[in-house]
Amino acid sequence: DSGVTQTPKHLITATGQRVTLRCSPRSGDLSVYWYQQSLDQGLQFLIQYYNGEERAKGNILERFSAQQFPDLHSELNLSSLELGDSALYFCASSGGSDNEQFFGPGTRLTVL
Amino acid sequence: AQKITQTQPGMFVQEKEAVTLDCTYDTSDQSYGLFWYKQPSSGEMIFLIYQGSYDEQNATEGRYSLNFQKARKSANLVISASQLGDSAMYFCAMRPPPGNQFYFGTGTSLTVIP
Repeated sequence: DSGVTQTPKHLITATGQRVTLRCSPRSGDLSVYWYQQSLDQGLQFLIQYYNGEERAKGNILERFSAQQFPDLHSELNLSSLELGDSALYFCASSGGSDNEQFFGPGTRLTVL
Repeated sequence: AQKITQTQPGMFVQEKEAVTLDCTYDTSDQSYGLFWYKQPSSGEMIFLIYQGSYDEQNATEGRYSLNFQKARKSANLVISASQLGDSAMYFCAMRPPPGNQFYFGTGTSLTVIP
């Protein structure tokens, strides 16, 4: 158990809908990373937050947004969902540097 | 331009043998980080090892070591004394200076044969 929790574990929704994925980092970790893994695109970095502030942005679509709250949990919001958004979404946390990251179990999103 | 290349889609290794998974990268930055991750068939993602571009020693974590050859832009993962539990997908990644994104390779599927 990495200490990182993600909810929900599975999510099935329809095209055009909006969903929110939640991530709670390990106790004391200030940094949260979001990744997407799909058959088409492989593994991609989406975004990183550090202590509530956006630190780095990757291949995150404009339809997607994220934030990190004062209690350090993070949410990834996906809107106007398309079939191609079906993927496994991971979050990871670290103490601040990249040197060691702890991953959550992932949220499997299926868009029908 | 592709930043990370993993040329071995699949690899097989005998239990207790060592195996090297290849990774080459492309960057013009002087400062960057190199990472390896493991993804078993259960789907979870596990961070294995990190190497900074200015680190003089190759990174090691237990049975994992990163063979870092800066001039050749390679960051191969070496797993010593393979175990059945090492069967998984392995991803190499690079991150230019902090504040930038991560670039991932397409992965290598490793199967350990008893």
